[in-house]
Amino acid sequence: SSELTQDPAVSVALGQTVRITCQGDRLRSYYGSWYQQKPGQAPVLVIYGKNNRPSGIPDRFSGSRSGNTASLTITGAQAEDEADYYCNSRDSSGNHLWVFGGGTKLTVL
Amino acid sequence: EVQLVESGGGLVQPGGSLRLSCAASGFTFSSYEMNWVRQAPGKGLEWVSFISSSGNTIYYGDSVKGRFTISRDNAKNSVHLHMNSLRAEDTAIYYCARQAYGDYAYYFDNWGQGTLVTVSS
Repeated sequence: SSELTQDPAVSVALGQTVRITCQGDRLRSYYGSWYQQKPGQAPVLVIYGKNNRPSGIPDRFSGSRSGNTASLTITGAQAEDEADYYCNSRDSSGNHLWVFGGGTKLTVL
Repeated sequence: EVQLVESGGGLVQPGGSLRLSCAASGFTFSSYEMNWVRQAPGKGLEWVSFISSSGNTIYYGDSVKGRFTISRDNAKNSVHLHMNSLRAEDTAIYYCARQAYGDYAYYFDNWGQGTLVTVSS
């Protein structure tokens, strides 16, 4: 089983706000990062650190953390946001031993 | 523009070996840590291995430890994954991913398109 826990599936109405969560003890020590993956494509980084978006990622994507839970929020979800979303974080010991959450399939209705 | 291009995937029999390569361009390769991540058909992402910028520090996921070896050639801007004793459960798309650091966090900021490894008799 994954050490980072995500809900397998979440749905959101077009234009509404959705939060995708990731739980794990290592998140108490390190910020998680978030990746979007569309069918047949490689993952794309959407959020890293406290709440940073790489160039080209729309500002409707935001991140936060509380305790052992990291969250990815999409404010005003668009049809093109339908994808799988994965969180990841490295080991709490400080080594570069990484783990990914099981992924959340986001459906935009 | 950062580019990561994987190669070397293919069909291999159980117990066989394969060597994957990832050619990097568009950045100073020797300054970045690199990772391999895989994705079995219809499944989620699984981290496989990490190598530091110098190649002196290496980590592996439990499922591949003792069978896979990561290496890099900073002169040729490439990172490799040597896979031995392959099993059916190693069947996956293998991605190389560049590791970056910012805002007190590490993350994978660029990914290749992946190379498919199929382990089957």
